[in-house]
Amino acid sequence: GENVEQHPSTLSVQEGDSAVIKCTYSDSASNYFPWYKQELGKRPQLIIDIRSNVGEKKDQRIAVTLNKTAKHFSLHITETQPEDSAVYFCAASIRGSYIPTFGRGTSLIVHP
Amino acid sequence: GAGVSQTPSNKVTEKGKYVELRCDPISGHTALYWYRQSLGQGPEFLIYFQGTGAADDSGLPNDRFFAVRPEGSVSTLKIQRTERGDSAVYLCASSFAGTSGSPGTQYFGPGTRLTVL
Repeated sequence: GENVEQHPSTLSVQEGDSAVIKCTYSDSASNYFPWYKQELGKRPQLIIDIRSNVGEKKDQRIAVTLNKTAKHFSLHITETQPEDSAVYFCAASIRGSYIPTFGRGTSLIVHP
Repeated sequence: GAGVSQTPSNKVTEKGKYVELRCDPISGHTALYWYRQSLGQGPEFLIYFQGTGAADDSGLPNDRFFAVRPEGSVSTLKIQRTERGDSAVYLCASSFAGTSGSPGTQYFGPGTRLTVL
C-alpha cells in the first residue's frame, strides 16, 4: 500500500512570511494528492488538490507543486496570516484504489 | 446545502460495550468513507462504500468493527466489545463517485469522539 511521510511536524512563522510543508509518497502509481486544513476541534477541509497530470496548481495564497520523479509534493502558503494557523494534512491516492493515505500532519503556527 | 453530519458528537462508553456511530452524507454523494483519527495523527482509513456495498473494508482493524449503508445514504459504524484502544475521533466523509481511478473531493463530517473507559 501507499506510505506518506510529512515534514515538518511543527512549523512556526511570523505573519507575512511564507510557509512550506513537504510530503513524500512511496507508490509511483499514486495520481491524486489533496491537502486538508484542520482547525482545532473542527473537521478537515480540502484547501487544494493536484492530479498527476500537472506539476503545479495555485489558488490565491496557496500553491501545490508535484515532482513525480522524486515522488514528493509540497504545499506553499504565501503572506501567512494568523487565521492560517491549523494542522495541515497531505494525502496520496493510488490510481484505482479511491482510498487516500494521509500524512501525520503539520501544525502551522502563524505569530501576529 | 447541508454538509456531512455525524451523531453523536461525543460518546462515552465502558469497556466491553457495543456502540453505533451514525453518518449522514451530503445528498447525492455515492461514496462514503469512515476514518479514525487519534490525537496527533492523520485520518486512518477504515472502510469505503460505493452505494450500498462496501467497496473496500481493508482498514477495519478486526472483526469487532462493522459498517453498513443499507440504502446507499446513511451509514452506521458498529463496534462490538469496545476496548480502551478504540478511543479516538471517528470521521465520516462523502464524495461523488471518483473518476479516472481517483477519489472525488471528500467532504468530512465533524466526527464522533469516542471514549472507552
